[in-house]
Amino acid sequence: GENVEQHPSTLSVQEGDSAVIKCTYSDSASNYFPWYKQELGKGPQLIIDIRSNVGEKKDQRIAVTLNKTAKHFSLHITETQPEDSAVYFCAASKRPSFGNEKLTFGTGTRLTIIP
Amino acid sequence: NAGVTQTPKFQVLKTGQSMTLQCAQDMNHNSMYWYRQDPGMGLRLIYYSASEGTTDKGEVPNGYNVSRLNKREFSLRLESAAPSQTSVYFCASSEDLGLAAYEQYFGPGTRLTVT
Repeated sequence: GENVEQHPSTLSVQEGDSAVIKCTYSDSASNYFPWYKQELGKGPQLIIDIRSNVGEKKDQRIAVTLNKTAKHFSLHITETQPEDSAVYFCAASKRPSFGNEKLTFGTGTRLTIIP
Repeated sequence: NAGVTQTPKFQVLKTGQSMTLQCAQDMNHNSMYWYRQDPGMGLRLIYYSASEGTTDKGEVPNGYNVSRLNKREFSLRLESAAPSQTSVYFCASSEDLGLAAYEQYFGPGTRLTVT
């Protein structure tokens, strides 16, 4: 099955600086890569996703890049703000799937923004 | 819309006791999932249900049973709780829209402690 590794496990950055979280996956057939943000005491929430037919996707201060050859993808947050402090999870899956969608999650990165 | 709701929010059990975690969604989604979240291990899939009337094992099904009661509700049962089942449990739901869009919506979680 798929295996997703995520680094670093913790990350502290000064407010206004950029943060980068990296993930690698093992199954070359995986083609869908979402990122979820989990705030304290809440369930994870999708913030951005990318499919294997594109190399980069951007949404305001958040961007995700994908390198299919190396089987790794990264989350980039620019101009970080205190509300970016949370745990971030990467995930991978094969799509379309017939009947259900199973995501394999990374182990999470706790991001702390230092004011 | 309430989205995905879970009950209870917190629970303490003694070893050997049983309990059922309840989950309901009001988004008319076909697929529902149960995950557990442990420190340093990310989110691991316990069971999932692709549609009403079907359930399948995920990565860590041992010690759990599930019931897809109807399209809205998906319950997780611990028949004989063990300390290793101390965790935070999340329910999620999704609607596969093919290549166009996909997102798993998570509930707020149930924090379970088994002593």
